[in-house]
Amino acid sequence: DGGITQSPKYLFRKEGQNVTLSCEQNLNHDAMYWYRQDPGQGLRLIYYSQIVNDFQKGDIAEGYSVSREKKESFPLTVTSAQKNPTAFYLCASSILAGFADTQYFGPGTRLTVL
Amino acid sequence: SQQGEEDPQALSIQEGENATMNCSYKTSINNLQWYRQNSGRGLVHLILIRSNEREKHSGRLRVTLDTSKKSSSLLITASRAADTASYFCASWNAGGTSYGKLTFGQGTILTVHP
Repeated sequence: DGGITQSPKYLFRKEGQNVTLSCEQNLNHDAMYWYRQDPGQGLRLIYYSQIVNDFQKGDIAEGYSVSREKKESFPLTVTSAQKNPTAFYLCASSILAGFADTQYFGPGTRLTVL
Repeated sequence: SQQGEEDPQALSIQEGENATMNCSYKTSINNLQWYRQNSGRGLVHLILIRSNEREKHSGRLRVTLDTSKKSSSLLITASRAADTASYFCASWNAGGTSYGKLTFGQGTILTVHP
């Protein structure tokens, strides 16, 4: 089965903790993306990666960090510096960024800060 | 601010009726895409229309693009209860600092009553 998986589905974090959200794809896509979605709003881009070992900040990168050590994996760390991390986080991939491709999304991780 | 603005924010119709959603954007684009999101899930790509196209069909979906007005519309014909979801437009920007990413609108919540 080809697709994008995200884990966990639900995540609870205490204030001051860092947490890491997992995103894996077996579509052989070069580009991967992280979005944040708040209730009743659209998606905002956090980080994106066009190739292994390279990534760029999106519109709301402050308080987040990423790595891209493998083509298949693009984990997102929500750090304690992120002031309001409670949100729905979506990972996506596309064949090759910059070629205006469609994006394929994972099922999302809902993060709640206690 | 979001590149795409969608109208209406919410739409409630009866099964069998048509549903029309509109999207406006601010800068020049390579293409415009429409996605669907069921509650609490990831997004699913519906249709892509390129900047040199004016209309595109896919099953019960019809998308139009007016680059002079920087607007697009999504028409769902003969709607079904299963079409109940949020619908997002997303524009792929032509270049500059936005190269290589989609910018999403805030979405239209469609409810189709049986």
